[in-house]
Amino acid sequence: QVQLVQSGAEVRKPGASVKVSCKASGYTFTGYYIHWVRHAPGQGLEWLGWINPNRGDTNYAQKFQGRVTMTRDTSISTAYMELNRLTSDDTAVYYCTSQAASFDPWGQGTLVTVSS
Amino acid sequence: SYELTQPPSVSVSPGQTARITCSGDAFPKQYAYWYQVKPGQAPVVVIYRDTERPSGIPERFSGSSSGTIVTLTISGVQAEDEADYYCQSADSSSTVVFGGGTKLSVL
Repeated sequence: QVQLVQSGAEVRKPGASVKVSCKASGYTFTGYYIHWVRHAPGQGLEWLGWINPNRGDTNYAQKFQGRVTMTRDTSISTAYMELNRLTSDDTAVYYCTSQAASFDPWGQGTLVTVSS
Repeated sequence: SYELTQPPSVSVSPGQTARITCSGDAFPKQYAYWYQVKPGQAPVVVIYRDTERPSGIPERFSGSSSGTIVTLTISGVQAEDEADYYCQSADSSSTVVFGGGTKLSVL
C-alpha cells in the first residue's frame, strides 16, 4: 500500500542540526511532491516547505529559509529534511506527506526534542 | 504570505451539526482542504478541493465555499469526531498555509 515511513525520534542540543528521513513505498516516488509539516506541543500545524522529488527543486516557508534544507535520493525513494541552528521552539513532531489531490498519505511523524 | 482564520473552538452535542469556518483572502481563487488531527496521530484529510470527500471518510463530513469563507460541516456529530480541525490552502507561488486550528468538543 501507499505509505511513508519516517526515521525515529531524535534529541538534540540547542544550536545543533537534525536530519529526518521519509521513505516512500507503494507509488512512484518522483511523481508527487513531498511536503514537510510540523506540530509543536500545544500549537497548530506549521508548513516547512516542499521538494519535487523528480527535479529536486524546493520551496521553503519564509520563516525557515536559510535554516532548512530538503533533499531526496531517488534511488531509494527517500526524502530528507534537515533543520539547523535548533532552539527549544523547534521541539515538535515533524511529518512528511505526499501531495496528490491532497496531503495524503502522511508519515507516522518524527519527534524532535531540543533540550540542553 | 496570507493567513487563514479559524475559530479556536466549537462545541456541539452528539447528533447535532458542527460547522467550522475558515476565512482567507486566498479563497475562492485557491482550493481549501480540511484535516482532522487527533492526539498522537498524524493528520487525516477529510475534505479536499473545497467539497470533495476522500474514500473512507464518512458522509457526514462535507465542505462548502462562499466568497472568502470556507466551511467544514459535520452532520450528526459523533463522539469519535472530537478532534482538532485545520483548514489549509496555498497561494499562487505554491506556498502552503494552515489555519490556526479549531478544537471540536463533543459534549
